[in-house]
Amino acid sequence: QKEVEQNSGPLSVPEGAIASLNCTYSDRGSQSFFWYRQYSGKSPELIMFIYSNGDKEDGRFTAQLNKASQYVSLLIRDSQPSDSATYLCAVNRAGSSGSARQLTFGSGTQLTVLP
Amino acid sequence: DAGVIQSPRHEVTEMGQEVTLRCKPISGHNSLFWYRQTMMRGLELLIYFNNNVPIDDSGMPEDRFSAKMPNASFSTLKIQPSEPRDSAVYFCASINSTRWVDTQYFGPGTRLTVL
Repeated sequence: QKEVEQNSGPLSVPEGAIASLNCTYSDRGSQSFFWYRQYSGKSPELIMFIYSNGDKEDGRFTAQLNKASQYVSLLIRDSQPSDSATYLCAVNRAGSSGSARQLTFGSGTQLTVLP
Repeated sequence: DAGVIQSPRHEVTEMGQEVTLRCKPISGHNSLFWYRQTMMRGLELLIYFNNNVPIDDSGMPEDRFSAKMPNASFSTLKIQPSEPRDSAVYFCASINSTRWVDTQYFGPGTRLTVL
């Protein structure tokens, strides 16, 4: 079992719809969860992070975390063609040691927003 | 702030040659990561420095790879000798630490092609 799993997609949604991206993780002690967006040929760009159970909203983006289910998701409201990219889920390992700063990345979900 | 700076942006070399990739982290960030990204393997952590000290190099594929961080504003990743299977995009990332979370910011990457 991979430490961080994402549906590789591709996921296609029409413009204006809600895109839902999902991620599960295996380390129950994981503490922080990140969503990165990566356009083709570019570097990963941090969208948002979450570390408490529940929802966190930032503009059109909402991150949802359920630690009991070991599940984190990203919702993109009013999807735009410019949102078309690969979305990477990343998990911060638990612990206070230096290695706790390391991120484990999922393989990414490719999202296409159709005009 | 200029963000994380990497050079060169593109490197084409022949098998057996030495390759040196460079990274300048964001000023004030005290942790630096080197990643490699390929279509097959996704984003892989190679090595992680904290306060210029290597913390975890378990991701370095073999002895042909070495990394240094002589000071807080500069790091290098060296491959000697290079092989075609080293072809990938190499990212450097630095961390902004707050009381609650460490967030990683990526550089633009170096696209390495080994012929």
